[in-house]
Amino acid sequence: DAGVIQSPRHEVTEMGQEVTLRCKPISGHNSLFWYRQTMMRGLELLIYFNNNVPIDDSGMPEDRFSAKMPNASFSTLKIQPSEPRDSAVYFCASIPGLAAYNEQFFGPGTRLTVL
Amino acid sequence: DAKTTQPNSMESNEEEPVHLPCNHSTISGTDYIHWYRQLPSQGPEYVIHGLTSNVNNRMASLAIAEDRKSSTLILHRATLRDAAVYYCILRDVYNQGGKLIFGQGTELSVKP
Repeated sequence: DAGVIQSPRHEVTEMGQEVTLRCKPISGHNSLFWYRQTMMRGLELLIYFNNNVPIDDSGMPEDRFSAKMPNASFSTLKIQPSEPRDSAVYFCASIPGLAAYNEQFFGPGTRLTVL
Repeated sequence: DAKTTQPNSMESNEEEPVHLPCNHSTISGTDYIHWYRQLPSQGPEYVIHGLTSNVNNRMASLAIAEDRKSSTLILHRATLRDAAVYYCILRDVYNQGGKLIFGQGTELSVKP
């Protein structure tokens, strides 16, 4: 298995532009998580899905952020409009089940820079 | 999720054992203890987890105190590749969300 796949790996954009980050979870995993990592705030959970349904989006910073999971093999995180403070590394992770002992598998991340 | 406390940083010499401590004095009986690590410029990766008994796997060992208020991740022979930030995380067995709440972790440096 190729693991969790994220694209693009790097994104540089200008303030005000729309940004879309993509994630393909490991086949057979039914839960997907989006995290953001910055020096100031560390790793923080933004939103997660179970069976393609958003379960907890309390970490989404504001309405500029939205996430979708149209099917079991694809998810997007969109920022519109983007701002410089959105610059961070965004990680996607998937898990084979919701049991608390299951390990999460993380993707390599997308490094976003908003100028 | 209950909170954990870890030292900000630790140093080790290559090929020596490393003991990474974690305090979780408010742990509940249904909390699993998970360890993840994050190598430079990579996503976090799972290391090990346990509930009550000590655990061993190919990467590390996890020693859990009898009262479960603390645990220690043991790397038996540190290599340069083990230089990373190590996170100790508690997850409730009833937390059907599966989400991880990361603290600041311990940054481990390994000297050749």
